[in-house]
Amino acid sequence: ELKVEQNPLFLSMQEGKNYTIYCNYSTTSDRLYWYRQDPGKSLESLFVLLSNGAVKQEGRLMASLDTKARLSTLHITAAVHDLSATYFCAGASGNTPLVFGKGTRLSVIA
Amino acid sequence: NAGVTQTPKFRILKIGQSMTLQCTQDMNHNYMYWYRQDPGMGLKLIYYSVGAGITDKGEVPNGYNVSRSTTEDFPLRLELAAPSQTSVYFCASTDQGYGYTFGSGTRLTVV
Repeated sequence: ELKVEQNPLFLSMQEGKNYTIYCNYSTTSDRLYWYRQDPGKSLESLFVLLSNGAVKQEGRLMASLDTKARLSTLHITAAVHDLSATYFCAGASGNTPLVFGKGTRLSVIA
Repeated sequence: NAGVTQTPKFRILKIGQSMTLQCTQDMNHNYMYWYRQDPGMGLKLIYYSVGAGITDKGEVPNGYNVSRSTTEDFPLRLELAAPSQTSVYFCASTDQGYGYTFGSGTRLTVV
């Protein structure tokens, strides 16, 4: 049974700083997803990572996947206030449903 | 292209009442899912379906029922509502399990 753990669960960042959110998963997962959720809103897809060594970047966010370590990271570069949100990672294997981590609540402060 | 449509967006139920949360998708996706999200938590799977006529339990199915009579619709039924079912409910769908589309959610309060 796939289990997904994120850390940290809460993150307060200063604007302009860099930080990384970690996502560990327990068994083989052939797809790893990152989502963003703003308060009271639905989930917005950020990245889908399919293979070992996959790296994807969009603006100040970069996601990577290491299947051997069963680890994905979401790196935030030069944080800005607009990045304040909750970030979820989720994994799936084959046709099994997505399994979500608990989320990382990110707050970017001036 | 509406994607995944959930109704209602908000609902307040009294303990013991029942209701159906509606979910409709117009993308001809085979796979549909119901998740619940409690405050400060991730999403937990309630039920899912891999096609019309086929449903299966997820991690937290107790107190809920589903049906999938058509590809488009996947309603979630709450019988005898309890305060523990206060949550935000999300419906999602996918075709090949690559890209998932989520509905806007239903915020349910049981008092």
